[in-house]
Amino acid sequence: VQLVESGGGLVKPGGSLRLSCAASGFTFTSYTLTWVRQAPGKGLEWVSSIRGSTTSLYNADSVRGRFTLSRDNAKNSLYLQMNSLGAEDTAVYYCARVRGDDYNHPIDYWGQGTLVTVSS
Amino acid sequence: SFVLTQPPSVSVAPGETATITCGANNIGSETVHWYQQKPGQAPVPVIFYDNDRPSGIPERFSGSNSGNMASLSITRVEAGDEADYYCQVWDTNSEQRVFGGGTKLTVL
Repeated sequence: VQLVESGGGLVKPGGSLRLSCAASGFTFTSYTLTWVRQAPGKGLEWVSSIRGSTTSLYNADSVRGRFTLSRDNAKNSLYLQMNSLGAEDTAVYYCARVRGDDYNHPIDYWGQGTLVTVSS
Repeated sequence: SFVLTQPPSVSVAPGETATITCGANNIGSETVHWYQQKPGQAPVPVIFYDNDRPSGIPERFSGSNSGNMASLSITRVEAGDEADYYCQVWDTNSEQRVFGGGTKLTVL
């Protein structure tokens, strides 16, 4: 199993950024995928999840209405469109696989993360 | 939504047992997972479903969950166990994945 994030970088407050996660080594549509972020020196914060079979979405309150999660099953890829970014969104963003295709299962694989910095 | 409370830090001597707690109202009715994160690395799962060890995790790691407290225990602690540890549940009421604040385990 491999999860490789890309798309992080420096963005101005109010700006947008799109993160990508390329997945390999497993049947992509059989798993729920998720993004978890970690602000510098802080703990883990769940961001959003999308199921494999139904593409049902769940979002954290802190990003609802600003972040949109999607997946392209043909490309084995996950995307996180982030709009209206603020300093509080500065973090390492991890792409992760849930152990199965349901939300209440644990995360069993994590990518190495991509850093998003929101600053003027 | 669910709030998971962990002690910020736990210190233990090598060879001793470390216990890291994760508290919440009636957490025993939920399923708790635990992750280990070493500096500069992605998290790694160490306990699934209250007390199941993922493949490759030593038997020294175990979990329990009852009442208002879940716990991760590490017996015969080694220097390599030094890391941050996070508990996590799925809050069915708010439909959100919730992490505890994390506990830094220091091996003296």
